[in-house]
Order: sequence, then C-alpha cells, then structure tokens
Amino acid sequence: GQQLNQSPQSMFIQEGEDVSMNCTSSSIFNTWLWYKQDPGEGPVLLIALYKAGELTSNGRLTAQFGITRKDSFLNISASIPSDVGIYFCAGNGGSQGNLIFGKGTKLSVKP
Amino acid sequence: NAGVTQTPKFRILKIGQSMTLQCTQDMNHNYMYWYRQDPGMGLKLIYYSVGAGITDKGEVPNGYNVSRSTTEDFPLRLELAAPSQTSVYFCASIRQGGYGYTFGSGTRLTVV
Repeated sequence: GQQLNQSPQSMFIQEGEDVSMNCTSSSIFNTWLWYKQDPGEGPVLLIALYKAGELTSNGRLTAQFGITRKDSFLNISASIPSDVGIYFCAGNGGSQGNLIFGKGTKLSVKP
Repeated sequence: NAGVTQTPKFRILKIGQSMTLQCTQDMNHNYMYWYRQDPGMGLKLIYYSVGAGITDKGEVPNGYNVSRSTTEDFPLRLELAAPSQTSVYFCASIRQGGYGYTFGSGTRLTVV
C-alpha cells in the first residue's frame, strides 16, 4: 500500500532555533496535511495543502506541497517550549480518500 | 459543541476479555474512523465508515469489529483481547468533502 516516509524521526533543539521536517512518498497525493499531537491528546490539524507547489503559513509554521505531489515539508521558526510534541504528515491517497499518516517526528525543545 | 468524544480514556484488560471503545461526534460528520497508534509507528487505520449502516476494513482490522447504527456513534469492539492490541486508539471524523480529520483524545488500552 501507499506509505509516507517522514524524517527525521526525532529532533532535540534549543529554544529559538528553526525546525524543518519533511515527508516523501512513492505515490502522488492530492492533499497534504500536517498535524501536531500533544502528549496524551489526539492529533490536531495545523496546515492543509491542496495544490502542488502551494506554500502556506500559519503563524510560525510554514508548509509546502511539493511540485511532484510526492513530498511536503514543514518548517517551524523560532521554536518555543510549547512546540514540543509529535508532528505527523498525512496525505489523502487511500481508498475512499482515507488519510495515510507518516510515522511522526518527535520534537523536544530545551529552554 | 464537544467535537469527537472517546470513552474510556484508560483501560486495562486481561487476555481473552472483551470490551467496546466508544466514540461519539456531534458535528454531523458522515465519515468516521478508528486508528491505533503504537510508539514510533504512526497511525494505522483499523476500520472506517462513510455513513450510518456502512463500514469497511482499514489496514489492520483483525481482532476488531465496528458498527455504525447512527451518524453520531461509531463503537469499536474487541472480542478476545490479546497483548498485541495494547495501544492507543483514536477515533476521528470528517464531513463529506472536508479536509483534515477531527480526532478524539484517545483511549489508552493495555492488555495483560
């Protein structure tokens, strides 16, 4: 089946640093989504991307839908302690348009 | 507007016991999903439903059953719990034509 390769698996950064993570796939996706999961909670949608090449920002977050429709990246600028969590990419390429999720990037931020 | 509500939040089962994980949404969403999350493995789709009375298998359906008698409710049933079913279970929903699921806060299940 379709798979998303998300990297890095984990990151340990200093507060104030910028963060970059990405997802790639061997298949084309029509939509790319980025979620954040706080400890003990369900994932929450951060950014949705609908068109190849689209670049979208949400505060300190910026995400892009790759031109080939097979990849996406998420950048976080000037990280703060509350950015800690697991970030998931997802694409709607499954049967019935179901979302397929990457394995997540665990972000730790040192004050 | 409560969104997606899951109960219980935590549960410990003995091998061979059965239980039902409850999921309710109040957003009138057509589509509902059950995922399991294992450490470092992301989210795996167990079952999904595109509307009341319609369910279908996802990637990892073995050992689980679902039903969808109403738009609001989508319970997940474990009949004979096994240690391999120790996981965190998330229910999610989305309206037809929407993007991005709304997730519940999860049920942490341990089978011993």
